[in-house]
Amino acid sequence: EAEVAQSPRYKITEKSQAVAFWCDPISGHATLYWYRQILGQGPELLVQFQDESVVDDSQLPKDRFSAERLKGVDSTLKIQPAELGDSAMYLCASSFVNTEAFFGQGTRLTVV
Amino acid sequence: AQTVTQSQPEMSVQEAETVTLSCTYDTSESDYYLFWYKQPPSRQMILVIRQEAYKQQNATENRFSVNFQKAAKSFSLKISDSQLGDAAMYFCAYNAGNMLTFGGGTRLMVKP
Repeated sequence: EAEVAQSPRYKITEKSQAVAFWCDPISGHATLYWYRQILGQGPELLVQFQDESVVDDSQLPKDRFSAERLKGVDSTLKIQPAELGDSAMYLCASSFVNTEAFFGQGTRLTVV
Repeated sequence: AQTVTQSQPEMSVQEAETVTLSCTYDTSESDYYLFWYKQPPSRQMILVIRQEAYKQQNATENRFSVNFQKAAKSFSLKISDSQLGDAAMYFCAYNAGNMLTFGGGTRLMVKP
C-alpha cells in the first residue's frame, strides 16, 4: 500500500542550529502539505504545494523556515536557526486535488 | 476563512457503548468535503470517514458513522460498540478549494 514517507522520525537539535525534514508523497499526488502539531492540539498548516508551486505559506515563519518541492515530487522543510518554541511534530501529507489527505508518520523535533 | 470547531476537548466511553463526537464548521462554500481523522498516541494520523457535501446520505464505515447537517454546518462522528483500540485523538477536517483545515481535536478515552 502506498504511503507518505518522512525522515527522520526523531530529531534533537540545539537551538540556533539548522534542521531539515524530508517528505516523499504518494505517487501521483499533486498536493503536498506540511503541518506543525503541538502535543494535544490540531495540525496547523505551514505550507501547501500544488506540484512545485506554493499555494499557501501564510503561516510559515519565513524568517527562519523555508520549504521547497523542486520537481513537484518530494519536499524539504528547513528551519534555520531553530528555536526552543519550534519543538513539535512536523507532519507531511499528500492528496489528489480536493480529496482526503494521507499522512506520513511525522518527524518529532526537540530543540534543546 | 474556514474554521472548524470541536467543542469537546475530552470524551470518555465505556467499552461496547456508543459515543458521539461533535464538530461544527464555518464556510460560505457550497461544495466541500468533511473528514474525521484518528491519531492514536505516538502513531500516524489515519482517515476514519469522509463525507461529500453534495451527498445527503450520511457516510458509514463499519462501526463509524456520521450525522451531517449541512444547514447547521454540523458534522458529528458516532462510534458504535466502542473498543479499546478506539482510544485516540479524533480530528474533524474540512476541505474546500483544496484547502484542508483541522479542528483542535477531541481526546477519546475508552474504559474497559
